[in-house]
Amino acid sequence: SSELTQDPAVSVALGQTVRITCQGDSLTTYYASWYQQRPGQAPLLVIYGKNKRPSRIPARFSGSSSGNTASLAITGAQAEDEADYYCNSRDSSGNHLVFGGGTKLTVL
Amino acid sequence: QLQLQESGPGLVKPSETLSLTCIVSGGSISSNSDYWGWIRQPPGKELEWIGSIYYSGSTYYNPSLKSRVIISVDRSKNQFFLQLSSVTAADTAIYFCARHFLSAADGEWFDPWGQGTLVTVSS
Repeated sequence: SSELTQDPAVSVALGQTVRITCQGDSLTTYYASWYQQRPGQAPLLVIYGKNKRPSRIPARFSGSSSGNTASLAITGAQAEDEADYYCNSRDSSGNHLVFGGGTKLTVL
Repeated sequence: QLQLQESGPGLVKPSETLSLTCIVSGGSISSNSDYWGWIRQPPGKELEWIGSIYYSGSTYYNPSLKSRVIISVDRSKNQFFLQLSSVTAADTAIYFCARHFLSAADGEWFDPWGQGTLVTVSS
């Protein structure tokens, strides 16, 4: 099992706000990065650092962190946001990288 | 615009060595801030970091794979490589290469990613 824990599945109504979480002891020390993966595609970076977005990522995506939990929020979810989302950070030793198990987001 | 492309055999026999190349274009593999990483994803499963290499050749690996992995770089060709030895069916996965960016202020992240290549381990 991963050192970063994500809920397997989350759903959100179209246009509403959803928060996807990632828990792990290492997150009290290290930032998480977040990736969106649509079926058959490579992962795409959506959030890194303290809430930074690549220029191609819409502003409705944001990141935050509190204690051992990192969160990815989508404010006003769109149909095209339906995808798997993965968090990534250091493991508890701080020496290696791990991914969370992924969260499947369904937009209703 | 930086682009990465994986290449290599799509089928490897059990107990043999999986070898993949990542071709980097649109930028130099010798950037001071960048590592270069390999990540894999078994069909229908989660992502797994395999390891990363700095352009100088220093590496670090997933401890669960370390005994079987070698990542190397050829700066003259702007390419880096993955070798995974003694493969089994459990190594069947889509293999991605990606730029692994490290920042003192913002942590680390993978961007961009190659499109991925499916490697099947089967006799």
